[in-house]
Amino acid sequence: EVQLLESGGGLVQPGGSLRLSCAASGFTFSNNAMGWVRKAPGKGLEWVSNIISSGGSTYYADSVKGRFTISRDNSKNTLYLQMNSLRDEDTAVYYCANYGYGMAVWGQGTTVTVSS
Amino acid sequence: DIQMTQSPSSLSASVGDRVTITCRASQGIRNDLGWYQQKPGKAPKRLIYAASNLQSGVPSRFSGSGSGTEFTLTISSLQPEDFATYYCSQHNSYPLTFGGGTKVEIK
Repeated sequence: EVQLLESGGGLVQPGGSLRLSCAASGFTFSNNAMGWVRKAPGKGLEWVSNIISSGGSTYYADSVKGRFTISRDNSKNTLYLQMNSLRDEDTAVYYCANYGYGMAVWGQGTTVTVSS
Repeated sequence: DIQMTQSPSSLSASVGDRVTITCRASQGIRNDLGWYQQKPGKAPKRLIYAASNLQSGVPSRFSGSGSGTEFTLTISSLQPEDFATYYCSQHNSYPLTFGGGTKVEIK
């Protein structure tokens, strides 16, 4: 069974940083593209970033480009999202998902709150 | 960027009703579209991929159709567990985009 478990969320001040992790199991992680999607309170789903299976190509939403960095460690079956220069509008539940014909299987999410 | 427009944004329906949700893409996306269900406090769950393919384990009352710019999600007989918010999403090109969501409520 595919399982994705996010961690690393929390409360951070504007301008601060956080690193999210997503531990994967139940599938061959190194063969799969992966991504992050977020849901802010009262808003819809917003795609954040994707990374191909090798890590050689990455993609970002304009709203996070230059501030967030997606990466992966295929030896540890783990996906990461480094979030810098956080803003109030980055407050959301962040989900990781494996990517195949869109976001296929999703983790349970980790909550990021940006507030002073 | 490809804009995804869902309609309606909300609807009220009764158990047993047939429900149809529409998603329109601002440009052609072939069949590169998925439908997702999200319940409050839970992770989204994919129901349909490639516009019309049922995700494994999803009840057959859910179906998807369409290609190009017009897509439809149909629930043939609404069940109590189907009250949720539904999203379409295109993966034809980056940035990936979602529709605004359709909240299905109990009448």
